[in-house]
Amino acid sequence: GAVVSQHPSRVICKSGTSVKIECRSLDFQATTMFWYRQFPKQSLMLMATSNEGSKATYEQGVEKDKFLINHASLTLSTLTVTSAHPEDSSFYICSARKLTDTQYFGPGTRLTVL
Amino acid sequence: QKEVEQDPGPLSVPEGAIVSLNCTYSNSAFQYFMWYRQYSRKGPELLMYTYSSGNKEDGRFTAQVDKSSKYISLFIRDSQPSDSATYLCAMSVSGGSNYKLTFGKGTLLTVNP
Repeated sequence: GAVVSQHPSRVICKSGTSVKIECRSLDFQATTMFWYRQFPKQSLMLMATSNEGSKATYEQGVEKDKFLINHASLTLSTLTVTSAHPEDSSFYICSARKLTDTQYFGPGTRLTVL
Repeated sequence: QKEVEQDPGPLSVPEGAIVSLNCTYSNSAFQYFMWYRQYSRKGPELLMYTYSSGNKEDGRFTAQVDKSSKYISLFIRDSQPSDSATYLCAMSVSGGSNYKLTFGKGTLLTVNP
């Protein structure tokens, strides 16, 4: 199988603070990791694509200075939501991809900004 | 017109029924097609992955792709209450290392015992 974990599963923070979410591929090395955001009753929207050791590629409309992505190793990527605001409250899901395979998703992180 | 259209439902069926889920798409460049199952407050789980037109079967699940009509389907036979979830279709243009998935909105399925 291909297992992807996320931590934390749930986080509540105050407006203006920064939150870091970790995504790990537990049993494989991920050449590429993806970060998605999902609002209630909506589909997944891709935020950015990251390859190990290089800068992330952000989708149109996603602020790269607000959503900082670090892909430090083949098994770990982090998403930091800087200066979070209530409108950033959402379900953040990462996925990881093996070299020639499809994406495997993490369980998601629910962020609530008060 | 959105790139991928999927009826959000909700769809409610009795246990044992055959379920048909569908997506249409407008971008003829899509070559890779996937179905994911997502339980409430969980990440999506890959169910089926297909590349070519035709049918692919895996247990109670059958994925069907018709590229000429830009239409894909997922059939669930002998549906079970544990199949109750949101089903997302997803597709991609490229199978290369940086390929991106475009998702449908998802169809909420409830299988009643």
